[in-house]
Amino acid sequence: EAGVAQSPRYKIIEKRQSVAFWCNPISGHATLYWYQQILGQGPKLLIQFQNNGVVDDSQLPKDRFSAERLKGVDSTLKIQPAKLEDSAVYLCASSFGTGTGETQYFGPGTRLLVL
Amino acid sequence: AQSVTQPDIHITVSEGASLELRCNYSYGATPYLFWYVQSPGQGLQLLLKYFSGDTLVQGIKGFEAEFKRSQSSFNLRKPSVHWSDAAEYFCAVGGVNNNDMRFGAGTRLTVKP
Repeated sequence: EAGVAQSPRYKIIEKRQSVAFWCNPISGHATLYWYQQILGQGPKLLIQFQNNGVVDDSQLPKDRFSAERLKGVDSTLKIQPAKLEDSAVYLCASSFGTGTGETQYFGPGTRLLVL
Repeated sequence: AQSVTQPDIHITVSEGASLELRCNYSYGATPYLFWYVQSPGQGLQLLLKYFSGDTLVQGIKGFEAEFKRSQSSFNLRKPSVHWSDAAEYFCAVGGVNNNDMRFGAGTRLTVKP
C-alpha cells in the first residue's frame, strides 16, 4: 500500500515570497491533515479536511496560509507571503475517517526554510 | 485544553539496555493516548495507542506503554533497545475527534553501541 506522498521535500525561499506544498493521501482515506512542526516542537495541527470540506482550521493563520482539497483527494497548502517564523517541516497525514483514535498516517514532510 | 509534557528532551541508552520514555498529559475527560516515532527525514509512525480497557498496551517493534490515570502518565517502555530505535519519540493526547490531538515536544533517543 502506497503511503502519503508529499512534494517538494525541501524548499528554500526568501521572506515575503509565496510557496505551495502538495499532498496525496493514502487511497480511500477521507480525512486529511496538515501539521506544522517547528524545530524542537511536536506537530501542530493547521487544518483538517473531511473529503473536500474543512473540519477544523482554527489554528491556521488565515491571513497568510490557505489550503484546499478539491475533489476530496489531493491537497495543497499555500503560504503567501512567507515569514521567517514559517520555517518548519510541514507534515501531511491522512486517516480513513474522523472517528476517535483513527490512526493517522504521516507523509515524510516538506522542510521549508525562509531566509 | 489538553496538553502533553515529555520531561526528557534527550535520552541516551546503551544498546541492549531497557528504555522508558516519560509522558504526562492533561485532559478533562478520558484521554486517547498515542506514541509516535519519527526517524530523521521521515514522517511519524504510530507505535501504539490507548483508548480504554487494559492499561498496558502493546505496540509495534517491541514497545509497550502503561496508562496510569492516577499519575496522568503514559510512559513508553522497551526491555532491550536496538540501535535502529534511535529516533525522536512523540506522545500525543486526543479527544473525541482527531482534530483535538496535541503532541508533546518529543524525546530524542540516542543509542550507544
